[in-house]
Amino acid sequence: AQTVTQSQPEMSVQEAETVTLSCTYDTSESDYYLFWYKQPPSRQMILVIRQEAYKQQNATENRFSVNFQKAAKSFSLKISDSQLGDAAMYFCAYRSGPDYKLSFGAGTTVTVRA
Amino acid sequence: DVKVTQSSRYLVKRTGEKVFLECVQDMDHENMFWYRQDPGLGLRLIYFSYDVKMKEKGDIPEGYSVSREKKERFSLILESASTNQTSMYLCASSLEGTQETQYFGPGTRLLVL
Repeated sequence: AQTVTQSQPEMSVQEAETVTLSCTYDTSESDYYLFWYKQPPSRQMILVIRQEAYKQQNATENRFSVNFQKAAKSFSLKISDSQLGDAAMYFCAYRSGPDYKLSFGAGTTVTVRA
Repeated sequence: DVKVTQSSRYLVKRTGEKVFLECVQDMDHENMFWYRQDPGLGLRLIYFSYDVKMKEKGDIPEGYSVSREKKERFSLILESASTNQTSMYLCASSLEGTQETQYFGPGTRLLVL
């Protein structure tokens, strides 16, 4: 089974500053997908960003970007210009190419200070 | 927009009761999933279904069963609820194909006394 590790249970960031969330994963496969999901206090989980392992270019969605280091099996999320609405729990997730199943990390709670 | 709804936001049940959690999606998605979310453990897959009447076990199926009689509805059943099943339960759906994004419901927080 794949293992996804988020080593930071909590992170705090000042509004307008940048915060980086770490994620490492363990796999022997070459075809897989990585995701960051956001779960605000209202609990509806939404997709923030996804990365296909075969793509070398790091994915970007507005203020959210990833640093995908395939050899190191690392997939960090950078939130730039943090806003109060970014406060949430963030989950890193892995999915093998031919599989439906998502494997999630334990999550990182992000607090944004005004 | 994809909409995934769950029948209850909060539920309190007694040990030994049979519990039904309902999930409905309105986007004609083939795949549906049930996860449970616990602090420090993230989300763990209980069961998923890739078609009507089809199901596959996830990582933690013990103590649970599922039913999918219609494409839009996926039910999670706790045959005899136990206190260790107190958790947040999240439903998700996606289009056919392993490349598709999963969309989540708001969750049901279940307390078993």
